[in-house]
Amino acid sequence: GAVVSQHPSRVICKSGTSVKIECRSLDFQATTMFWYRQFPKKSLMLMATSNEGSKATYEQGVEKDKFLINHASLTLSTLTVTSAHPEDSSFYICSAEEGLAGGLADTQYFGPGTRLTVL
Amino acid sequence: QKEVEQNSGPLSVPEGAIASLNCTYSDRGSQSFFWYRQYSGKSPELIMSIYSNGDKEDGRFTAQLNKASQYVSLLIRDSQPSDSATYLCAVQTSRKAAGNKLTFGGGTRVLVKP
Repeated sequence: GAVVSQHPSRVICKSGTSVKIECRSLDFQATTMFWYRQFPKKSLMLMATSNEGSKATYEQGVEKDKFLINHASLTLSTLTVTSAHPEDSSFYICSAEEGLAGGLADTQYFGPGTRLTVL
Repeated sequence: QKEVEQNSGPLSVPEGAIASLNCTYSDRGSQSFFWYRQYSGKSPELIMSIYSNGDKEDGRFTAQLNKASQYVSLLIRDSQPSDSATYLCAVQTSRKAAGNKLTFGGGTRVLVKP
């Protein structure tokens, strides 16, 4: 099956610093990648949709200037949390969309997630 | 009304029994439906996808879709303790304007007791 990696898996940073998270599709090309965050005992909340070569589409309520997304290639998307604060501490998960031949709906495969703790 | 609804559980099931999970959705334009399994502290793992009305079987898992009634279900046969996890129902509208983003339900926690 399709494999998606994320790096780092866990990061602890000081308040006010920036953190970059990488998401890679290892064995397929992903035109579209998605970034989610998940708080304890809550479901996944979509933050933004990342399309290769174009600007990301952010969900309502997600600050574009705080969560910078770059989708530079068909296998790599990055999320940078700028000026992180303790309330940004969360589990950040990316997914990559694998298109099926014949135009059927695409399937999202998830990376292992990055646990961010802001002190 | 939430777009995708699931009973939060926990659904307690004896080992070897059938676990039955339900999910309802509000958008009649939804075209693709997915079940993911998520262990505590881990990311979701795809179990099944279903696109047409009826049943789809894969090993011990069977997904059932009824678009007229706007529900999708997942059956886990011969439940094992390793099936204890949260099961997420996800719905995809596949409209170009909205992209192919998934809308997730809140998840149903399943506990399989030996």
